[in-house]
Amino acid sequence: GQQVMQIPQYQHVQEGEDFTTYCNSSTTLSNIQWYKQRPGGHPVFLIQLVKSGEVKKQKRLTFQFGEAKKNSSLHITATQTTDVGTYFCAVISSGSARQLTFGSGTQLTVLP
Amino acid sequence: DTAVSQTPKYLVTQMGNDKSIKCEQNLGHDTMYWYKQDSKKFLKIMFSYNNKELIINETVPNRFSPKSPDKAHLNLHINSLELGDSAVYFCASSQELGQARQGNTEAFFGQGTRLTVV
Repeated sequence: GQQVMQIPQYQHVQEGEDFTTYCNSSTTLSNIQWYKQRPGGHPVFLIQLVKSGEVKKQKRLTFQFGEAKKNSSLHITATQTTDVGTYFCAVISSGSARQLTFGSGTQLTVLP
Repeated sequence: DTAVSQTPKYLVTQMGNDKSIKCEQNLGHDTMYWYKQDSKKFLKIMFSYNNKELIINETVPNRFSPKSPDKAHLNLHINSLELGDSAVYFCASSQELGQARQGNTEAFFGQGTRLTVV
């Protein structure tokens, strides 16, 4: 199935600092999705990127899809304690057996 | 109204037992999934199922089996539970991925079932 590498695995930031998580694939992706999972909660869909070089914003969150459609990033500006959680990228595997495969996730801790 | 609901939320059981986790979605989605999340938060897909085919991740032991009585339900049966099966199990659903190429294929997750095998 489609493999996507996500880094870093853990990130601790002081409240107000910025945060970025990255996903990389060795093959071209048709699209990429991002999810957030709060502690004790379940993954919740944030956004889907489809086009090469696409940039989308949701308030303090900026999502990018690389020009070659092999990498993506999620950037949070001026983190808040409400941003705490695990952020996942997810891709749809290619071929006849399509599955939604998740990256390893980045666990974000925001220190007040 | 809960879009994807799974029960129970917590399950504590002894090694060797057989248990089931139920999942129901009211979104009219064609595809349902089971994921296992370990203590490091890794989300591993176990199964994906639509009304045409079941896709089984090759690393899943055959003690695990999905049962779908209808399109809205995908239950997870686990036989002969082992300590290593302890994890949080998530059910999810989405539109059929093969058809919704550019459309919205977001997955909706249930609240999770924390399984503890003792």
